[in-house]
Amino acid sequence: KAGVTQTPRYLIKTRGQQVTLSCSPISGHRSVSWYQQTPGQGLQFLFEYFSETQRNKGNFPGRFSGRQFSNSRSEMNVSTLELGDSALYLCASSTSTGYTEAFFGQGTRLTVV
Amino acid sequence: QKEVEQNSGPLSVPEGAIASLNCTYSDRGSQSFFWYRQYSGKSPELIMSIYSNGDKEDGRFTAQLNKASQYVSLLIRDSQPSDSATYLCAVLGGGSNYKLTFGKGTLLTVNP
Repeated sequence: KAGVTQTPRYLIKTRGQQVTLSCSPISGHRSVSWYQQTPGQGLQFLFEYFSETQRNKGNFPGRFSGRQFSNSRSEMNVSTLELGDSALYLCASSTSTGYTEAFFGQGTRLTVV
Repeated sequence: QKEVEQNSGPLSVPEGAIASLNCTYSDRGSQSFFWYRQYSGKSPELIMSIYSNGDKEDGRFTAQLNKASQYVSLLIRDSQPSDSATYLCAVLGGGSNYKLTFGKGTLLTVNP
């Protein structure tokens, strides 16, 4: 069974640019969550999608957005990049709601210069 | 603000010893609890899940949950150098949304 696939693995962008990251969940998983991981803040929740609907959003500015497609693949977009957006972006997929486990992709390492 | 706190590290144990990792959480409505292992430069890997009070064993790993005390722990028996990693406690809140709240992690080093 294929795992969670994130693309690209590495990105270098310039301040002010925008970026789109992609996540393909495990087959059959309909929930996709996104997290930002930095050394200082740890893993922080960005948002969660289920059946193309955003069900929950973390405390991030509106520059961070996402969407989910009918095949459960998800994308997140960050506009007007700032140096502080440099982080490991992780997506996790799960079957649905409580009492289910979430599995992470390898992550996308974003560096903003 | 719903929080998850882990015992501060780093934690260093000799090979063959028991490593004990602890976690407390603030949201009494939390329903599911997970331990992830993260090697440096890699993504988190799920190693244990626990949903009801008591102990759950899987090989060398034992997770313990006490909802009344809002406390979760992970014991690693016969620790191996390959267990050296950061261990993340994650808590899933109540409701229909899937949102995991993570602790900052505890760095474990197992010395040969």
